[in-house]
Amino acid sequence: DIQMTQSPSSLSASVGDRVTITCRASQSITRYLNWYQQKPGKAPNLLIYAASSLQSGVPSRFSGSGSGTDFTLTISSLQPEDFATYYCQQSSSAPITFGQGTRLEI
Amino acid sequence: EVQLVESGGGLVQPGGSLRLSCAASGFTFSSYWMSWVRQAPGKGLEWVANIKQDGSENYYVDSVKGRFTISRDNTKNSLYLRLNSLRAEDTAVYYCARGWYPDYWGQGTLVTVSS
Repeated sequence: DIQMTQSPSSLSASVGDRVTITCRASQSITRYLNWYQQKPGKAPNLLIYAASSLQSGVPSRFSGSGSGTDFTLTISSLQPEDFATYYCQQSSSAPITFGQGTRLEI
Repeated sequence: EVQLVESGGGLVQPGGSLRLSCAASGFTFSSYWMSWVRQAPGKGLEWVANIKQDGSENYYVDSVKGRFTISRDNTKNSLYLRLNSLRAEDTAVYYCARGWYPDYWGQGTLVTVSS
């Protein structure tokens, strides 16, 4: 199985900050890497798919990059509604696996 | 509007069984892989299983293999998950989701395994 490791596990930041979350796969997944945002009590929301493609309706301050085993999610200027937990996910092969999550706090 | 609505969760004793259902609407259900993803209380996301458009192919996470069965009925636009031999560690919110990298999710249904 492909293991996904996110860092950091938690992050404190302020409105307007630029934030980067990293995700590393245990083997190459080319660009089959996706990012989700989840708020308490809600289902996850797809932000980025195929490493760098912005899902429809997602603000452009979110961006993704990387290939192979190393990936990043960047939020260019944090907004109050961005404080949430973020997960990476590989969809290269079954079993699909998620990272452990990064909690972004004020 | 795409909608996924789960049902069938509840309290069950260890060793018991449940069948979860997911009613899909607003898209051509038979054109998509479908997935089940779960989240234990206070924990992260765990993909459970997925199934191909025609039901001919499916995959499971190791921890549920032999105990859970995913199925679908394209005539009813419905996805199912049969949960057998339930354990305390299966306690979670179970989400129905569209695709390998889900762009639509249901609201989730809570399964609690406890005596």
